[in-house]
Amino acid sequence: AQSVTQLDSQVPVFEEAPVELRCNYSSSVSVYLFWYVQYPNQGLQLLLKYLSGSTLVKGINGFEAEFNKSQTSFHLRKPSVHISDTAEYFCAVSTPNQAGTALIFGKGTTLSVSS
Amino acid sequence: GAGVSQSPSNKVTEKGKDVELRCDPISGHTALYWYRQSLGQGLEFLIYFQGNSAPDKSGLPSDRFSAERTGGSVSTLTIQRTQQEDSAVYLCASSPGPLNTEAFFGQGTRLTVV
Repeated sequence: AQSVTQLDSQVPVFEEAPVELRCNYSSSVSVYLFWYVQYPNQGLQLLLKYLSGSTLVKGINGFEAEFNKSQTSFHLRKPSVHISDTAEYFCAVSTPNQAGTALIFGKGTTLSVSS
Repeated sequence: GAGVSQSPSNKVTEKGKDVELRCDPISGHTALYWYRQSLGQGLEFLIYFQGNSAPDKSGLPSDRFSAERTGGSVSTLTIQRTQQEDSAVYLCASSPGPLNTEAFFGQGTRLTVV
């Protein structure tokens, strides 16, 4: 079965600094990978996803992530964060060749951006 | 509606009572998930429905938890004999097909057991 590890539970950064939120997955088969964001008191929203093709995927709000199969990682990056990026970020994995298997999430990383 | 709808948005119940949480997925979506979100625990997978296949119940924490999906659409999550540790936000999501290319989430039901 697949699993997801988000290596940092909390990441504090200053406004306009770069940020990287780390995600590693475990799976014996090929995967789809996702990053979701949850703003305070709101539901989950898809930031970006990797299904196939280019390993560098770009999402909303200036975020991007790179799929690294050899390191089983899918780290999320943004070159310059804003106060409004303060939120909880979740990495998730599913297995496209096993229809009927669930989307599995990591425990989340809280990004706190201060001025 | 355009999105996943969950009701109620908030539920306070007494310990030992049964509760039912409802999820209306996006029309036409064949996959439906239930997750539990507790502070510091991320999204804990509970159960997954895909079309007419038998649901994946591997995430249900105890036999007090059950879920059904009627007519391939609306789903109800039932928690019997609620305990204080059941307090959490219960999230429902739906996805267009079996390959899980994207899940769309509802706003959740915040359950408080007192």
